Amino acid sequence: SAVISQKPSRDICQRGTSLTIQCQVDSQVTMMFWYRQQPGQSLTLIATANQGSEATYESGFVIDKFPISRPNLTFSTLTVSNMSPEDSSIYLCSVAHTQTNTEAFFGQGTRLTVV
Amino acid sequence: KQEVTQIPAALSVPEGENLVLNCSFTDSAIYNLQWFRQDPGKGLTSLLLIQSSQREQTSGRLNASLDKSSGRSTLYIAASQPGDSATYLCAVYGAAGNKLTFGGGTRVLVKP
Repeated sequence: SAVISQKPSRDICQRGTSLTIQCQVDSQVTMMFWYRQQPGQSLTLIATANQGSEATYESGFVIDKFPISRPNLTFSTLTVSNMSPEDSSIYLCSVAHTQTNTEAFFGQGTRLTVV
Repeated sequence: KQEVTQIPAALSVPEGENLVLNCSFTDSAIYNLQWFRQDPGKGLTSLLLIQSSQREQTSGRLNASLDKSSGRSTLYIAASQPGDSATYLCAVYGAAGNKLTFGGGTRVLVKP
C-alpha cells in the first residue's frame, strides 16, 4: 500500500491567482498522476508526473495552465495557474508502484473553490 | 479510446439488502480493474483490485467479478449497512496509455 499526504486539503482562492498543491508519498513509487474531479463528475486525468522530466499531459490540459513538478520518487506538485471559477474542483494525486498490474492509491484530495 | 460505464448512476436500498453494481468497458486490453469508494468531498479508497487474469476478488462483504472478454465487472456488497452509503467508482488500467480510466460512478444510499 501507499500513504499519500496531499496539501492543502481545501482552499478558497481569488480569480487570477495560482495555487500549488503538494503530494507526498511514504514510499518510492514509479507512477504519480494528477486528476481533476469537477462537481458531480467522475475523475479526469490531467497528467502523469514524470520524475526528472516534463509531465505527460492529457488532451485538453496544458503545461502553462497546470505546471507539474516531480523532483524525486516520493513528491510532486501541481499548480493551477491564473484561476477562474471553472477551475473549482477537487484535485487528486494518485500513485502506483509500477507501470503494470498494480494497485492505484489516492490522496484525500484538495477541494478548490475559485471566487 | 477506452470508455467505462457504470449502471445504475444511483441506487437506494433498505439496510440488509444486497447491492449489485455494474461496470462495463469497451476495450478488453486491460492490465487490471479496480473498485473504489468515495465519500462526499473526499478522496478515493481502494476496495478491490482484479488483475486481468483473475475472475474475481473477495474482501469481507465485498465480491467483485471480472469478465474481460465481455468487458464487464460486477461489485456485490452483501447485507448492506448505512455506512456503505457512498459513491462507488470502477476504473480500468489500460494497456494502451498506461493510465486509469474511470466510470461515472454509482451513488449508493442505504436506508436504515
